[in-house]
Amino acid sequence: DAGVIQSPRHEVTEMGQEVTLRCKPISGHDYLFWYRQTMMRGLELLIYFNNNVPIDDSGMPEDRFSAKMPNASFSTLKIQPSEPRDSAVYFCASRGGRLNTEAFFGQGTRLTVV
Amino acid sequence: AQSVTQLDSQVPVFEEAPVELRCNYSSSVSVYLFWYVQYPNQGLQLLLKYLSGSTLVKGINGFEAEFNKSQTSFHLRKPSVHISDTAEYFCAVSARGSARQLTFGSGTQLTVLP
Repeated sequence: DAGVIQSPRHEVTEMGQEVTLRCKPISGHDYLFWYRQTMMRGLELLIYFNNNVPIDDSGMPEDRFSAKMPNASFSTLKIQPSEPRDSAVYFCASRGGRLNTEAFFGQGTRLTVV
Repeated sequence: AQSVTQLDSQVPVFEEAPVELRCNYSSSVSVYLFWYVQYPNQGLQLLLKYLSGSTLVKGINGFEAEFNKSQTSFHLRKPSVHISDTAEYFCAVSARGSARQLTFGSGTQLTVLP
């Protein structure tokens, strides 16, 4: 398996534009997590899915953020409209079922909103 | 809820010297404990994990950590560091539930000096 794949690796956009980050989890993994990493707040959990269903989105900062998982092999995190304070590295991670406790992380998407 | 405190934000150490990165956690329930490493512009890679059993856990790249329940600590150690160990290290916990989403500490930047 190629691991968790995120795209794009880098994204630069203007304030007010819509941004979509993509994630392909490891095949067979039941859980998918979206994290955000900033200097000020470190690594924060935004939302996670179990079997494609959003379970906890309490970490999503505002209504401008939304996430979907239409199938087991794909998830998106969308920001609309984007703001400069959304600049961060966004990580996707996936993990297997009950007996598998290790989360595997993607390479991250570095988002810069100017 | 869980929380993680990494007591040192930066640790400089000379090559071939020993190092200890400190981690303390707080939780009202039993937890799993993890150390992840992040190299520049990369995702997070698992170094080691404590699930149960022996409190001394060995990981990759010669690292080990010891779980101390009474002190709620999970310090990371390496007897002799290399230049290539320069990276940011994150301690993380997850509750022993079904989702087991990770809560991260703020990270420790380890810099190995020649």
